[in-house]
Amino acid sequence: EIVLTQSPGTLSLSPGERATLYCRASQSVSSAHLAWYQQIPGQAPRLLIYGASGRATGVPDRFSGSGSGTDFTLTISRLETEDFAVYYCQQYSSSTELTFGGGTKVEI
Amino acid sequence: QVQLRESGPGLVQPSQTLSLTCTVSGGSVSRGGYYWSWIRQHPGKGLEWIGYIYHSGTTYYNPSLESRVSISVDTSKNQFSVRLSSVTAADTAVYYCARYDSSGYHYFFDYWGQGTLVIVSS
Repeated sequence: EIVLTQSPGTLSLSPGERATLYCRASQSVSSAHLAWYQQIPGQAPRLLIYGASGRATGVPDRFSGSGSGTDFTLTISRLETEDFAVYYCQQYSSSTELTFGGGTKVEI
Repeated sequence: QVQLRESGPGLVQPSQTLSLTCTVSGGSVSRGGYYWSWIRQHPGKGLEWIGYIYHSGTTYYNPSLESRVSISVDTSKNQFSVRLSSVTAADTAVYYCARYDSSGYHYFFDYWGQGTLVIVSS
């Protein structure tokens, strides 16, 4: 099983600051099948980034993704109050090999 | 706009079978390129993929749950369902249904239900 390790577990920042979130895979994963989701408490996850770097429809351009192989990054250039949430990375490597990272909480 | 909605009992007794249904609107479970999925989230924890079903009826499950889980689809009702047998308190979680888009080069969960909390308790 491919394990996705997200760091840090919690990121304490202020509005306007830059947030950098990391996702490390235990084995190389296809960038095409690496996605990031945002989950606000009490809500379902929402797709932010697909293919490691593509922004989903309606996602502000302050969100960006990068990386390849085993190391991926989600960057929020200038935090807005609505960005304080939990972020998950997710990979697909085969029909029965789909995993999520443990999440990074971005808090004020 | 595709919408998904979970339904089913919010309380299940230990050793019984958990059954949930996801009703899809604005899209068809019969359309190729999408895996109709179940994901759960234990209280205060991360996301765990349970499994999914393709429009053909082909199913794929998380190996850790495979012995207890079954996913089916009812194309006439545009619904898909999950059954998880022999539940314990460890199966208490919010259960989400979601669409996994594999129709193109990139794969991702693009639509999610709002989630339903299932508590396993006597």
